[in-house]
Amino acid sequence: GAGVSQSPSNKVTEKGKDVELRCDPISGHTALYWYRQSLGQGLEFLIYFQGNSAPDKSGLPSDRFSAERTGGSVSTLTIQRTQQEDSAVYLCASSLAGQGPYGYTFGSGTRLTVV
Amino acid sequence: GENVEQHPSTLSVQEGDSAVIKCTYSDSASNYFPWYKQELGKGPQLIIDIRSNVGEKKDQRIAVTLNKTAKHFSLHITETQPEDSAVYFCAARSKDSGAGSYQLTFGKGTKLSVIP
Repeated sequence: GAGVSQSPSNKVTEKGKDVELRCDPISGHTALYWYRQSLGQGLEFLIYFQGNSAPDKSGLPSDRFSAERTGGSVSTLTIQRTQQEDSAVYLCASSLAGQGPYGYTFGSGTRLTVV
Repeated sequence: GENVEQHPSTLSVQEGDSAVIKCTYSDSASNYFPWYKQELGKGPQLIIDIRSNVGEKKDQRIAVTLNKTAKHFSLHITETQPEDSAVYFCAARSKDSGAGSYQLTFGKGTKLSVIP
């Protein structure tokens, strides 16, 4: 597609439930990133996928968070046993990889509310 | 790894005045510096960028300057308008020594308010 697509745009879930957030990157972009943005805050890095390499999971805040990227394209971020502090906007971005001047293209995000 | 500092965190200007946001970076090997604008309820959007071999770049009312020696870069918005009100993020692209891949490191953002 023309841009990065994220779904759902909004998600309200009960505390303790599992949620799945989806990201469809720009075709041809081999790098994919997940960020979390709490209200009024900056971009908190969560995880990075690059081609067939092992993902960089260094930003995941706990073992309740996991992500996968199937076929080098679509990615799913899963949060198990959601807590109220997980409420935030989850942003996905994709880019070309390598040494070049490649910026990220962000999706519009998924606003997660845990009640 | 790279570290990007952004100032100020909030900035209010009168419509028509100029706004300047400044960022510093730590990795002298960083080679690409984009700026993103995030409007309420939306994802960050690239508005202008500069490569390490260029000192200044302009696009209508927006300009970015880069001082490689001092390792800082700035965003300049002239003749500000209410629609410029948003959060602005700077970033620097460098090679992660651990992962061996190139990634962006973001500043913490500046909330710009343009007062009509």
